[in-house]
Amino acid sequence: DSGVTQTPKHLITATGQRVTLRCSPRSGDLSVYWYQQSLDQGLQFLIHYYNGEERAKGNILERFSAQQFPDLHSELNLSSLELGDSALYFCASSVNVGTEAFFGQGTRLTVV
Amino acid sequence: AQRVTQPEKLLSVFKGAPVELKCNYSYSGSPELFWYVQYSRQRLQLLLRHISRESIKGFTADLNKGETSFHLKKPFAQEEDSAMYYCALSGGSNYKLTFGKGTLLTVNP
Repeated sequence: DSGVTQTPKHLITATGQRVTLRCSPRSGDLSVYWYQQSLDQGLQFLIHYYNGEERAKGNILERFSAQQFPDLHSELNLSSLELGDSALYFCASSVNVGTEAFFGQGTRLTVV
Repeated sequence: AQRVTQPEKLLSVFKGAPVELKCNYSYSGSPELFWYVQYSRQRLQLLLRHISRESIKGFTADLNKGETSFHLKKPFAQEEDSAMYYCALSGGSNYKLTFGKGTLLTVNP
């Protein structure tokens, strides 16, 4: 157990819908990263937050947004879902920027 | 820009054979390099980082700044080493963690 908790573990929803994925980082970790893992694209960096502030953006679609709350948990919001958004979404946390990241077990999103 | 390249999508070896998973990176500064392992689509776990220079589960990796490489090696592969291996780089003012596309290692009996 890495100490990073992601909910829900599985999510099935229809196209056009909106979902929220939640991540609780390890106690004391200030950095939260979101990644999308699909069979064809591999592990894609989406966004990085540090202590509530956005630090870096990767290949994140405009339909997607994220935030990190004062208690340091983070949410990834995916809207106007498309079939191609089906993937495993991982959250990772680290104590500080540049230190090793610990991953959650992921949320498997299936868009039907 | 930072980039990590893992040229092999798939690598298959026999048990007891040496294994080397290649990783090349592109980064202008001083990067931190990591290897992560993912068993059966489970969570990614840190295998090792170049700064610690330790050996985990018999794996080692040396950072070669001249060749911009961070290849992962193990002298005698075991069946339980079968997994997806990701090389990752952290650097820059935002310390974005960038992953390669991964290499699926299969160790055959």
